[in-house]
Amino acid sequence: RKEVEQDPGPFNVPEGATVAFNCTYSNSASQSFFWYRQDCRKEPKLLMSVYSSGNEDGRFTAQLNRASQYISLLIRDSKLSDSATYLCVVINTGTASKLTFGTGTRLQVTL
Amino acid sequence: EAQVTQNPRYLITVTGKKLTVTCSQNMNHEYMSWYRQDPGLGLRQIYYSMNVEVTDKGDVPEGYKVSRKEKRNFPLILESPSPNQTSLYFCASSKGTGELFFGEGSRLTVL
Repeated sequence: RKEVEQDPGPFNVPEGATVAFNCTYSNSASQSFFWYRQDCRKEPKLLMSVYSSGNEDGRFTAQLNRASQYISLLIRDSKLSDSATYLCVVINTGTASKLTFGTGTRLQVTL
Repeated sequence: EAQVTQNPRYLITVTGKKLTVTCSQNMNHEYMSWYRQDPGLGLRQIYYSMNVEVTDKGDVPEGYKVSRKEKRNFPLILESPSPNQTSLYFCASSKGTGELFFGEGSRLTVL
């Protein structure tokens, strides 16, 4: 089983739709979680951290479910500009050294 | 402007011809790392460095070398490149949290 797993998609949704992605992780000792966004042929960029209590940033909501070992990303009112690949990242120690990326979920928002 | 700079951005080379991909950051970050990204496999860590003169293997270090003589620079060396090292390479730096700052990527083709 992969350490971090994501549905590769693509998720094709119309503009204005709500879409959610999950990311499962295998190590129950994982400590920190993040969502990154990567546009085609570009470098990944941090989208948001995922806190135990969940967190929201505008149209984006990230949640952590430790019991089931997954994190989620919810995007409300999708925009064309949200089209990208979303990578989940899991850290198993207190530093960035044991940082593991998922393979990413591709989102395509259409008119 | 805070940034991570990689060079070259694109390179086509032949098997066995030594090459170096440079990486420099201007954020005074202690942590730096190299990743390769391949279709279906996501981002995989090659080497990382927690500080000057401290380097460690990541998940796929075979065929690569690194050095960290100065805080700002973390070059990736391919002593004898092979076709299976054809990939998109990213350098990243961090102040030690899960927020990585990536360079724009270096697309390497080994014939």
